Amino acid sequence: QKEVEQDPGPLSVPEGAIVSLNCTYSNSAFQYFMWYRQYSRKGPELLMYTYSSGNKEDGRFTAQVDKSSKYISLFIRDSQPSDSATYLCAMTEWGETSGSRLTFGEGTQLTVNP
Amino acid sequence: GAGVSQSPRYKVAKRGQDVALRCDPISGHVSLFWYQQALGQGPEFLTYFQNEAQLDKSGLPSDRFFAERPEGSVSTLKIQRTQQEDSAVYLCASSLMGPYSNQPQHFGDGTRLSIL
Repeated sequence: QKEVEQDPGPLSVPEGAIVSLNCTYSNSAFQYFMWYRQYSRKGPELLMYTYSSGNKEDGRFTAQVDKSSKYISLFIRDSQPSDSATYLCAMTEWGETSGSRLTFGEGTQLTVNP
Repeated sequence: GAGVSQSPRYKVAKRGQDVALRCDPISGHVSLFWYQQALGQGPEFLTYFQNEAQLDKSGLPSDRFFAERPEGSVSTLKIQRTQQEDSAVYLCASSLMGPYSNQPQHFGDGTRLSIL
């Protein structure tokens, strides 16, 4: 079983829809949670990062963490065609020799249709 | 430079050849990571450097994989006697501080390696 599970999709929504992306994890040592966006043939780009349980909002994006359930979510409001990309959840546990190595989910491919 | 730079962007090699992939991190960044991303998958950790010290190489899949960062800036990932299963995108990331910091990792656009 993978440490981080993410539904790979693909997910297709109309422009303006609210998008919900989710990951579950099994390692209780994970302390820091991130969402990356990856366009085709590009590197991952950091969207959101959070440490504590609860919600964090940044523009049209809201990240939600529930450590008790080992469940994280990313919500995208008023989705745009430019949001079409693969969304990767990532998390890390601190370690002196491991630095902040990231463990990623499989990625969810999102298409927003005009 | 403004971001993490990786070269070459694309590399095609025949099975059995050696390849070298280069990463130029953001200037002044202490931490440097290499990840391998197979088609349709999320990136997987390979190795971690803090300055010139390789502190974690537990993700390297075999002894054919070798990474170095001799002066604490540019890093090279070398793969010897390449196999078809080595075909993937190799991503480099850097962050400003060392462990126990909350500095995010910034990724390059990767090197797409194809082994024929």
